[in-house]
Amino acid sequence: ETGVTQSPTHLIKTRGQQVTLRCSSQSGHNTVSWYQQALGQGPQFIFQYYREEENGRGNFPPRFSGLQFPNYSSELNVNALELDDSALYLCASSSTDSLPDEQYFGPGTRLTVT
Amino acid sequence: LAKTTQPISMDSYEGQEVNITCSHNNIATNDYITWYQQFPSQGPRFIIQGYKTKVTNEVASLFIPADRKSSTLSLPRVSLSDTAVYYCLIFSGGYNKLIFGAGTRLAVHP
Repeated sequence: ETGVTQSPTHLIKTRGQQVTLRCSSQSGHNTVSWYQQALGQGPQFIFQYYREEENGRGNFPPRFSGLQFPNYSSELNVNALELDDSALYLCASSSTDSLPDEQYFGPGTRLTVT
Repeated sequence: LAKTTQPISMDSYEGQEVNITCSHNNIATNDYITWYQQFPSQGPRFIIQGYKTKVTNEVASLFIPADRKSSTLSLPRVSLSDTAVYYCLIFSGGYNKLIFGAGTRLAVHP
């Protein structure tokens, strides 16, 4: 069974640029959630996708957007990058067949905005 | 939404039992208590979930008193590899949004 994978591992961008982060969910999982984790803090929920539609959103501006594909993989897009967007971005997958709060996290993408 | 309070940090030694207590005074009737573990440079990992009394799995035990206003994660005989951040979460159902606090940084010493 393949776990959650994310790419790239690290990324450096300049303020104002756009970035796309990718996530492959665990086999058999149909739901993908994205979280932002600043240094020394717990992860903060960005949004969730289920069956290719956004299924809930946290307190993040519209410049954070996402997609889920038919194979349940997902992308997180961030436009007009700001310095405060520097963080670890985590993708988590889950299944409607398992415990609702049991999510499987990937290793994350470390984004640095300069 | 129920707010959780847990110690910022704890220290222990190899072989000891570690108990991390989380307070959640305004937990709702349908809420579950969930704990996650996060190692440096990794995503969080689900440890255990419970509703009341005691739950045990191969990794930990979770003790929940009758009033459910607190819960205690118990790690038996910790090793250096248990050094991590431990998050207590209250899950209110609906879509699978997890709300993390700052967590408890556990340091296990030789």
